[in-house]
Amino acid sequence: EVQLVESGGGLVQPGGSLRLSCAASGFIFSRHVMHWVRQAPGKGLESVAGISTDGGDTFYGNFVKGRFIISRDNSKNTLYLQMGSLRDDDMGVYYCVREAMTGSPDYWGQGTLVTVSS
Amino acid sequence: DVVVTQSPLSLPVTLGQPASISCRSSQSLVYSDGNTYLSWFQQRPGQSPRRLIYKVSNRDSGVPDRFSGSGSGTDFTLKISRVEAEDVGVYYCMQGAHWPWTFGQGTKVEIK
Repeated sequence: EVQLVESGGGLVQPGGSLRLSCAASGFIFSRHVMHWVRQAPGKGLESVAGISTDGGDTFYGNFVKGRFIISRDNSKNTLYLQMGSLRDDDMGVYYCVREAMTGSPDYWGQGTLVTVSS
Repeated sequence: DVVVTQSPLSLPVTLGQPASISCRSSQSLVYSDGNTYLSWFQQRPGQSPRRLIYKVSNRDSGVPDRFSGSGSGTDFTLKISRVEAEDVGVYYCMQGAHWPWTFGQGTKVEIK
């Protein structure tokens, strides 16, 4: 069974940093492009970042502007998102998402909540 | 970014009746490999999104056959042939042909 379990969310002050992790199991992690997608409270879905199977290529939503870094450790079956210079509008649930071979997200984690507040 | 526009944003439906959601993109979603990367997701209250349809019309495993997707180019539709109580939630279309992926605003389906 495919499982994606996020962790690392929490309360952070504006301008602060946070590192999210996503532990993957039930599939060959190194064979899938992986993504982070977020959802602000009561709002829709927004792509944050994606990373190629070997980590050599990364891509980010335009709003990231150098503040976040996506990475992966295929030996640990884990995806990461290092977030810095956090702002109020970064608040929301961050989902770890597997990109299927069919080119769209087929499995989503349960999400981890990021709250930015002083 | 490619803009994806859904309508309606709210859809009250009578149980057993059909429902239809429209999704339009600002650019063609036909990728260089010839595939059209348009997907549909269902998000029930308090849950993560679940994919229903990929590449316009392919239903995911376990998705009831009352759900169907159609369309081409920039114009797509999700249809529910007979709405059931478990279909309540927010439905999103998503384009995966251009980075970043972009999602429609969501359509809230509720029972009248």
